[in-house]
Amino acid sequence: DIQMTQSPSSLSASVGDRVTITCQASQDISNYLNWYQQKPGKAPKLLIYDASNLETGVPSRFSGSGSGTDFTFTISSLQPEDIATYYCQQYDNLPCSTFGGGTKVEIK
Amino acid sequence: EVQLVESGGGLVQPGRSLRLSCAASGFTFDDYAMHWVRQAPGKGLEWVSGISWNSGSIGYADSVKGRFTISRDNAKNSLYLQMNSLRAEDTALYYCAKNYYMDVWGKGTTVTVSS
Repeated sequence: DIQMTQSPSSLSASVGDRVTITCQASQDISNYLNWYQQKPGKAPKLLIYDASNLETGVPSRFSGSGSGTDFTFTISSLQPEDIATYYCQQYDNLPCSTFGGGTKVEIK
Repeated sequence: EVQLVESGGGLVQPGRSLRLSCAASGFTFDDYAMHWVRQAPGKGLEWVSGISWNSGSIGYADSVKGRFTISRDNAKNSLYLQMNSLRAEDTALYYCAKNYYMDVWGKGTTVTVSS
């Protein structure tokens, strides 16, 4: 099974800061990596698919990069509405999938 | 409007069974793979099971393999999860999600396994 190691598990940053989250796969997953945002009491929302493609309607301050085993998710300028937990998800071995452990983003 | 609506959750005793349903609307259901994802209280997302558009490929998380069965009825635009031999650790909010990108999610149905 493919394991996804996401870090950090939580972070605190100021409004306007650049925020970076990483996700490492236990084996090469090419670019089969998505990123989601989940706010309390809500279902997850797709932000980035195929490692670097911005889902329609998602603000451009969100971005993703990487391939193989190492991936990065970035919020270029943190906004108050970005407070949420973020998850990576691999889908290299369809129809199976795995989520990372999540990163809780808070405002300092 | 593209929509997924889960149902069938509830309180069930350990060892018993439950069947979840997910009703899809607003898109061509049989064009897409579908998934079940769960979230235990205060925990992260856990992928549970996935099924290809034609049911030709099916996968399960190790934690549910042999106990849960995913299926779909494309004529009814519906996805199902048969859950047998339920355990306390299966207590969670269960979501269905569309596509390998999981671009559409339902609001979830709660399963509580307790005596």
